[in-house]
Amino acid sequence: DQQVKQNSPSLSVQEGRISILNCDYTNSMFDYFLWYKKYPAEGPTFLISISSIKDKNEDGRFTVFLNKSAKHLSLHIVPSQPGDSAVYFCAASPISGNTPLVFGKGTRLSVIA
Amino acid sequence: DSGVTQTPKHLITATGQRVTLRCSPRSGDLSVYWYQQSLDQGLQFLIQYYNGEERAKGNILERFSAQQFPDLHSELNLSSLELGDSALYFCASSPISSMSYEQYFGPGTRLTVT
Repeated sequence: DQQVKQNSPSLSVQEGRISILNCDYTNSMFDYFLWYKKYPAEGPTFLISISSIKDKNEDGRFTVFLNKSAKHLSLHIVPSQPGDSAVYFCAASPISGNTPLVFGKGTRLSVIA
Repeated sequence: DSGVTQTPKHLITATGQRVTLRCSPRSGDLSVYWYQQSLDQGLQFLIQYYNGEERAKGNILERFSAQQFPDLHSELNLSSLELGDSALYFCASSPISSMSYEQYFGPGTRLTVT
């Protein structure tokens, strides 16, 4: 049972345009969400997080939106750059307690110059 | 560079063997996590250590064990290896005990069991 789903295995976007990566979750106890980026032969790198008390968090070109009623979050990258080409993982957990992060299977983003 | 180091980068071994993967966390981080990533799968949490003590366990097989030493480095021991254990194994660290926090990942160890 996948509690965190990234339904698009891949996404291709032109340089300079917006990239939108989506993530859905099923566990209503999740209230802390993170996005990680992974290049080949490297470990995942933390990008941005959001807790359920907010519906938007911004860091430079990266913005995460959270829709709690739809159990959906998205990562927007504007403008997209070739260096953003990587696999993006969504992860979630409850803030309280010490519960492991649950990761999605990832979306491979290709930014075409 | 996350500051988390893992050795070795690659490991090829035969079924039935035992291997040890090593992880050094970022300076100052007390929590170490181990994850397994099999083909086409997300990262699966295996186990967490905090300041030398086991803090949380995930879907870790009984054939697998881990420990965290006084200098905070950690080792993941995999024994009686099977073909299905072939995967990327990541170590991550964070400064606090709660898992609801940014974790910093090492580059991973690619294990191939033949």
